[in-house]
Amino acid sequence: GEDVEQSLFLSVREGDSSVINCTYTDSSSTYLYWYKQEPGAGLQLLTYIFSNMDMKQDQRLTVLLNKKDKHLSLRIADTQTGDSAIYFCAESISGTASKLTFGTGTRLQVTL
Amino acid sequence: GAVVSQHPSWVICKSGTSVKIECRSLDFQATTMFWYRQFPKQSLMLMATSNEGSKATYEQGVEKDKFLINHASLTLSTLTVTSAHPEDSSFYICSARDHGRETQYFGPGTRLLVL
Repeated sequence: GEDVEQSLFLSVREGDSSVINCTYTDSSSTYLYWYKQEPGAGLQLLTYIFSNMDMKQDQRLTVLLNKKDKHLSLRIADTQTGDSAIYFCAESISGTASKLTFGTGTRLQVTL
Repeated sequence: GAVVSQHPSWVICKSGTSVKIECRSLDFQATTMFWYRQFPKQSLMLMATSNEGSKATYEQGVEKDKFLINHASLTLSTLTVTSAHPEDSSFYICSARDHGRETQYFGPGTRLLVL
């Protein structure tokens, strides 16, 4: 079955770049997503990438996909205290079904 | 962007009672809605996929008679936790898929505490 892994915790200083990593096992993943969850809240979609892309940039966010190694990363440039949250990567193997398998989540702590 | 609401945002109930949670897509039609459960400090686990006008599809290990799902319209799906027990206490999150788009929009979640 699908398995999506993330490191549990990342601490960075304000202004530095954050890189959150994710590995997945299902080679048939079609779409890969990054979601942000603030305490006690639902999930906010940050960005997503199609499996035939290597990179996607959206303002401070850069997503890199290494399909060969099944590795996905999210880089946040100029990290701010408001970026402190839990970040989930997720995959879906079928665009039409859109069933998501979530990673374990990475808690990002931004320090002053 | 698309907005999905959930009601209530939190609920406390006694063991043995039933609780209904609503999930609404506010500015788009959702033929498919998903129900997730998240235990403290854990990831989201898909419980079931709800399709408008048909029976929900449950994930392995999820009791369909305990977690009743109704998707009667293109903007509303409900999850009823029947005869709730303390182990059902969790954060329940729904998402709705905008027809034709390859992403889901998540609701803010409902925190359920069963005493």
